Amino acid sequence: QKEVEQDPGPLSVPEGAIVSLNCTYSNSAFQYFMWYRQYSRKGPELLMYTYSSGNKEDGRFTAQVDKSSKYISLFIRDSQPSDSATYLCAMSDSWGKLQFGAGTQVVVTP
Amino acid sequence: EPEVTQTPSHQVTQMGQEVILRCVPISNHLYFYWYRQILGQKVEFLVSFYNNEISEKSEIFDDQFSVERPDGSNFTLKIRSTKLEDSAMYFCASRSDINRGYTFGSGTRLTVV
Repeated sequence: QKEVEQDPGPLSVPEGAIVSLNCTYSNSAFQYFMWYRQYSRKGPELLMYTYSSGNKEDGRFTAQVDKSSKYISLFIRDSQPSDSATYLCAMSDSWGKLQFGAGTQVVVTP
Repeated sequence: EPEVTQTPSHQVTQMGQEVILRCVPISNHLYFYWYRQILGQKVEFLVSFYNNEISEKSEIFDDQFSVERPDGSNFTLKIRSTKLEDSAMYFCASRSDINRGYTFGSGTRLTVV
């Protein structure tokens, strides 16, 4: 079983729709959960950072962590064509290494 | 907004040659990392560095790899004898403390021919 599972997509949505992304994981020691956005051949850009379970909102982005189900989500409201990118979930059990998901490619069509 | 800066953006090297990838982390950050991403694959952890020493390394980070923070600002990754399979995007990352996310650089695309 992979440590972090993420559907690679592509996920195609019309402009203005809500984008819903998720990851599951197997390591119950993970405490720090992140979502990154990555454009082609660029570095990952941090979108959301969450410690332990709960919800966090930042502008159009909402991150949710359910440690009991080992499931994390990212929601993007009012999606724009500029949101088209690959979204990576990442998590860590300490200040050490991050484990990344495979990334979900999102396409927002005008 | 502070950035992690990586140079060069693209490096082409002959198999067997040594390469040095350079990074300037954000100035008040204390934890430094190298990750790599082979085309079409996941981002993979290579090594973490704190307090002037390696704190953790992956099985990928074998004797061909080394890291240095030579002058308190630069953070380098050296690959001594490159192989074709070392071709990848290499990302440097840093963070200020455990309650912050990691900031990644734009990466160096290494092509070994």
